[in-house]
Amino acid sequence: AQKITQTQPGMFVQEKEAVTLDCTYDTSDPSYGLFWYKQPSSGEMIFLIYQGSYDQQNATEGRYSLNFQKARKSANLVISASQLGDSAMYFCAMRPYSSASKIIFGSGTRLSIRP
Amino acid sequence: GAVVSQHPSWVICKSGTSVKIECRSLDFQATTMFWYRQFPKQSLMLMATSNEGSKATYEQGVEKDKFLINHASLTLSTLTVTSAHPEDSSFYICSARFGAGSQPQHFGDGTRLSIL
Repeated sequence: AQKITQTQPGMFVQEKEAVTLDCTYDTSDPSYGLFWYKQPSSGEMIFLIYQGSYDQQNATEGRYSLNFQKARKSANLVISASQLGDSAMYFCAMRPYSSASKIIFGSGTRLSIRP
Repeated sequence: GAVVSQHPSWVICKSGTSVKIECRSLDFQATTMFWYRQFPKQSLMLMATSNEGSKATYEQGVEKDKFLINHASLTLSTLTVTSAHPEDSSFYICSARFGAGSQPQHFGDGTRLSIL
């Protein structure tokens, strides 16, 4: 079965601290992609970062990095030096390439940054 | 980056009305478009997947006669909620992707649909 699990429904973090959002996944596909999206209260979904299952290095995009541990099937998002504007819902997602199209979303983590 | 435009952003209408939502990829050709529904404080639920020029593939439990999807071109897909009722009130969000593999899906800003 294909599944994404985000075990943290909500998190509070002090501004300027680093934060790690957990994500574990389950798939029998040998090839897949992992994504993180941010959804502010306004509703739009913003693509943050991508990690391919065969990528040797962890993906980084500015203040975002993905801590990819394939053996543990985890793909945690790390946000360094958090900012007030980082407060949002964060969704981890996976697309097993055998399914051709479907991307599977986790239940999300609501991140709140305290000033 | 890739831009997906969704229109309208907010709709309020009476029960029984049909509502059309447009999703456009502005700077790339979207070979595949997706329609999602999101209830408050929940994750996205995939409703259907559409490839340009083909009939949409609906997820189990989604009424294809209720939610009509048209993907007439590589830059436009529409979702029509026919004879909408209050239970259809939700946040609808589209996404588009060019090609396959590692290409991410790019999302529209969503449409808040409220049926009175």
